[in-house]
Amino acid sequence: DAKTTQPPSMDCAEGRAANLPCNHSTISGNEYVYWYRQIHSQGPQYIIHGLKNNETNEMASLIITEDRKSSTLILPHATLRDTAVYYCIVRVAGLLQGGSEKLVFGKGMKLTVNP
Amino acid sequence: KAGVTQTPRYLIKTRGQQVTLSCSPISGHRSVSWYQQTPGQGLQFLFEYFSETQRNKGNFPGRFSGRQFSNSRSEMNVSTLELGDSALYLCASSQPDQAGANVLTFGAGSRLTVL
Repeated sequence: DAKTTQPPSMDCAEGRAANLPCNHSTISGNEYVYWYRQIHSQGPQYIIHGLKNNETNEMASLIITEDRKSSTLILPHATLRDTAVYYCIVRVAGLLQGGSEKLVFGKGMKLTVNP
Repeated sequence: KAGVTQTPRYLIKTRGQQVTLSCSPISGHRSVSWYQQTPGQGLQFLFEYFSETQRNKGNFPGRFSGRQFSNSRSEMNVSTLELGDSALYLCASSQPDQAGANVLTFGAGSRLTVL
């Protein structure tokens, strides 16, 4: 799986949009970009994933550059409860790997939402 | 639908003892993965089971083992506990979508303290 690079930390004001960057310059054509987050001492929580197109769900938007070498997770109106460590992971579709699932979590990025 | 349930949530053991942790996946999910999280090493993949078969294994000693039952419930066991085994143990279940993307749903974890 391709490696991802995220800044170690970021601050955001409550109510503002939080734009979390991720670099995955070695991503291959069949690798998805997944975002998870982990609030202190809880299990990681899935946020969103995408392959080529931009994606949006009730939690966030995912913007993937045309060359797919980087992406941005957007939390449109950050709240204090969005304070967490955010992980950007690239992963070949499970079916293409015989179905085996193994996520490689890096250090992630600590987002702190300030009041 | 019910999420991933892990038991026990907290436990304290002494060195040399063994421990068994349990995970009940989301109904219909056939893949169960286990991860260990420590402050120093972050989230690390332990192993993954699918239809009672181990499909993938992380780089952990043989003291760490697991199994999956016919109802997809899974257990992991750590024998001859060491102080360094103190960690949050996370279980995740998943089921790929038609495109092969696989979203993991994590449980709240089992916090093991080894004294």
